[in-house]
Amino acid sequence: LAKTTQPISMDSYEGQEVNITCSHNNIATNDYITWYQQFPSQGPRFIIQGYKTKVTNEVASLFIPADRKSSTLSLPRVSLSDTAVYYCLVGDSASGGYNKLIFGAGTRLAVHP
Amino acid sequence: GAVVSQHPSRVICKSGTSVKIECRSLDFQATTMFWYRQFPKQSLMLMATSNEGSKATYEQGVEKDKFLINHASLTLSTLTVTSAHPEDSSFYICAGAGTSGKNQETQYFGPGTRLLVL
Repeated sequence: LAKTTQPISMDSYEGQEVNITCSHNNIATNDYITWYQQFPSQGPRFIIQGYKTKVTNEVASLFIPADRKSSTLSLPRVSLSDTAVYYCLVGDSASGGYNKLIFGAGTRLAVHP
Repeated sequence: GAVVSQHPSRVICKSGTSVKIECRSLDFQATTMFWYRQFPKQSLMLMATSNEGSKATYEQGVEKDKFLINHASLTLSTLTVTSAHPEDSSFYICAGAGTSGKNQETQYFGPGTRLLVL
């Protein structure tokens, strides 16, 4: 079973900031939080990874509160090409599989003109 | 980010034949490689995890004799679908993870291989 919960879908418009929140109430101490983007018929593309507080790179920011039970992926000024499925994942360290990722359904983001 | 390639990108085969899919990490050493399967409109399903030089660990419900995985080097893993049948038609994606010292390594995914069994 996936260890994360995210909205099934979201809609936005070009130029807007999009925030996708993910719940991971049972995250383990050793788990990192990783977000991927997937376009149809392509493998997932790594977006960002974090453990706590805030992480920022050239494409996104990741906000993680102190209790780490949720995280928010922030995409600034989205464009049509950001239409994709976004997956939030945490590790499977509780079962000894430190590197295993169990994918949930993801969030289908549609960006409109 | 790190680059992972897969070959072939698409394959069509007859029922009963075997198909081999290659996964290569091009600019990093993948200590661990993962194989996933994705059916249309569904999420990725982990099939197996393999460490270089070791036998793969298969997820529950995945037949190890049907999906043969070899991870002979730090840059190459192969998945062989033996005696493929139409229900094996799917999108197969590999991912590689290196060693950076932290508990959870970032997985970098290949572009996927579309398998169609007639």
